[in-house]
Amino acid sequence: RKEVEQDPGPFNVPEGATVAFNCTYSNSASQSFFWYRQDCRKEPKLLMSVYSSGNEDGRFTAQLNRASQYISLLIRDSKLSDSATYLCVVNVGGGGNKLTFGTGTQLKVEL
Amino acid sequence: ETGVTQSPTHLIKTRGQQVTLRCSSQSGHNTVSWYQQALGQGPQFIFQYYREEENGRGNFPPRFSGLQFPNYSSELNVNALELDDSALYLCASSLQGGEAFFGQGTRLTVV
Repeated sequence: RKEVEQDPGPFNVPEGATVAFNCTYSNSASQSFFWYRQDCRKEPKLLMSVYSSGNEDGRFTAQLNRASQYISLLIRDSKLSDSATYLCVVNVGGGGNKLTFGTGTQLKVEL
Repeated sequence: ETGVTQSPTHLIKTRGQQVTLRCSSQSGHNTVSWYQQALGQGPQFIFQYYREEENGRGNFPPRFSGLQFPNYSSELNVNALELDDSALYLCASSLQGGEAFFGQGTRLTVV
């Protein structure tokens, strides 16, 4: 079983749609959680951290369920510029940033 | 711009050769992590350096080795290159426990 599992997609959605991505992780000792965005042939960039209380940044909402070891990302009012691969990332901790990435979910927003 | 620079950006090597990839970390960051991203996969943690010492290693063979210098820049060395080593190699710099900032990566092709 992979440490971080995501549906690879692609998710093809029309502009303005709401889309949700899900992710599960296997290590119950994981301490911090993130969503990264990666554009084609570019480096990953931090989109947002994820907390149990949930957090929102504009059109993006992230949620963590520690009991189910489940992380979600909701994108409202999708824009063409949201087209990218979204990576679910977990940090088991123990010092430093040894990040474990999922395979990523590809999103294509279309006119 | 993250302030993390990697060189070279692209590289073609022959199977069996050795390669050295370089990373300059963001000013003030004392931790550098290296990741390998194969096509269609998420980045995989290779190892991390903190204050010139290896501080954790992923599931990679000993022919993957590294160094961190007093100015916190880093090198990744790969010996006896194999075709499967073809990937995007990403360097991330951070403070211990802080947000990781990625460089643009080095795309290595082994033929």
